[in-house]
Amino acid sequence: GIQVEQSPPDLILQEGANSTLRCNFSDSVNNLQWFHQNPWGQLINLFYIPSGTKQNGRLSATTVATERYSLLYISSSQTTDSGVYFCAVVDRGAGSYQLTFGKGTKLSVIP
Amino acid sequence: KAGVTQTPRYLIKTRGQQVTLSCSPISGHRSVSWYQQTPGQGLQFLFEYFSETQRNKGNFPGRFSGRQFSNSRSEMNVSTLELGDSALYLCASSAPDIGDEQYFGPGTRLTVT
Repeated sequence: GIQVEQSPPDLILQEGANSTLRCNFSDSVNNLQWFHQNPWGQLINLFYIPSGTKQNGRLSATTVATERYSLLYISSSQTTDSGVYFCAVVDRGAGSYQLTFGKGTKLSVIP
Repeated sequence: KAGVTQTPRYLIKTRGQQVTLSCSPISGHRSVSWYQQTPGQGLQFLFEYFSETQRNKGNFPGRFSGRQFSNSRSEMNVSTLELGDSALYLCASSAPDIGDEQYFGPGTRLTVT
C-alpha cells in the first residue's frame, strides 16, 4: 500500500514564527488532505489539495504531485495553532476512498 | 449543514463485552468510513461503506464489523473487547459523486478495562 511520511515529527515554535511541515508519499494519489487534530481529538479539515497551491488566512499548502510531496505553511503562528497536523492521501487503487495517514507533526507554539 | 455526528462520545467497557458505535454523516453524503486511532499505531482505516455496501476493509480482526443503513447512518460493532481496543474511533463522511474530500466527526473514545 501507499506510504505517507511526515516531517518533522515534533516542532516547537515561538509565537509569531513561521513553519513548514512536509508530507511525502510513495505513489501517485488522487486526493491529499491536511488536517489539524484539536485537543479533543476531532480532525479539522485544513486543505483538500491533490495538486497546486491554496491559501486560507495564515495557512497555505502546496502539493507537487509529480514529485510526490506536499507542504503546509503556517505563518505568524499563534498558541491556538498547537496540536497535531496530519497529512492523508487516497489510493484509488484500493477501490475505495480509504485515507492513509502519516504519523503527524506535533506542533507546540509557546508564548 | 450539520457536521458528522458520533455517539456516544465516551464509553467505558469491560474486557469480553461488545460495543456498538454510531455515526451520522453529513446530509447527502453516502460514503462513511471508520478509523481507529491509538498512540502506538496512529490512524488506521477500519472499513468504508457506500450505499449500504462495504467497499473496503482494513487489516483488523473479524471482531470488528460494521453496517450502513438506507439513510447512510452507519454503526460499527466490536465484539469480545480486548484491552488493545481502547482507542479513539473516528468516522468520516464524503460525497464521492461530488468529490472525495472527507469530513470527520468528533470521535468516540473507548476505554476497555
